[in-house]
Amino acid sequence: ETGVTQTPRHLVMGMTNKKSLKCEQHLGHNAMYWYKQSAKKPLELMFVYNFKEQTENNSVPSRFSPECPNSSHLFLHLHTLQPEDSALYLCASSQDLTDNYGYTFGSGTRLTVV
Amino acid sequence: DQQVKQNSPSLSVQEGRISILNCDYTNSMFDYFLWYKKYPAEGPTFLISISSIKDKNEDGRFTVFLNKSAKHLSLHIVPSQPGDSAVYFCAASAGGGADGLTFGKGTHLIIQP
Repeated sequence: ETGVTQTPRHLVMGMTNKKSLKCEQHLGHNAMYWYKQSAKKPLELMFVYNFKEQTENNSVPSRFSPECPNSSHLFLHLHTLQPEDSALYLCASSQDLTDNYGYTFGSGTRLTVV
Repeated sequence: DQQVKQNSPSLSVQEGRISILNCDYTNSMFDYFLWYKKYPAEGPTFLISISSIKDKNEDGRFTVFLNKSAKHLSLHIVPSQPGDSAVYFCAASAGGGADGLTFGKGTHLIIQP
């Protein structure tokens, strides 16, 4: 399988639940990203990992917790979310941080918090 | 405050005509600009880019123009085809991209037959 794969595609969770989003890439890329797309808002960068090390945390609330066990996998652990966290969460990867045009995005996880 | 702005949420163009999508930015440190295209239920895919040292980049039916003094860029699609109907995102990066890409809200382009 090639490209960036995100699971699940859709997720509905209660505010007291704990869930995780998964992202996997088979492109040999070294940088991975989490973006959030809310309705009528730009894609917002949440986290950046380069060679498994977190390099950016864009003031994201602690109820979102990323994990990057290796360069091919990226997780976003969710707990005690709020309804306003409902959004499309997109994972992307690139060869490295300077590879601006090489972002490959996954299809996203549509998250609904009830 | 949005650093990358796409002020037109949607644009409708007749098939065969030219589509012009606009994007403005506020951060003078941005030195690389990109356009991504997104179909429903899919992630954005890279379309075309331009470095700040250029004012035009062309790839087939797609041309991106950059006006640095106005902090404005535009994407021209000619001729427009039904398959071009999608959401187009403008994105920018600064300083080699270490901070990731900054995106606009997107413009939904609808090509009418």
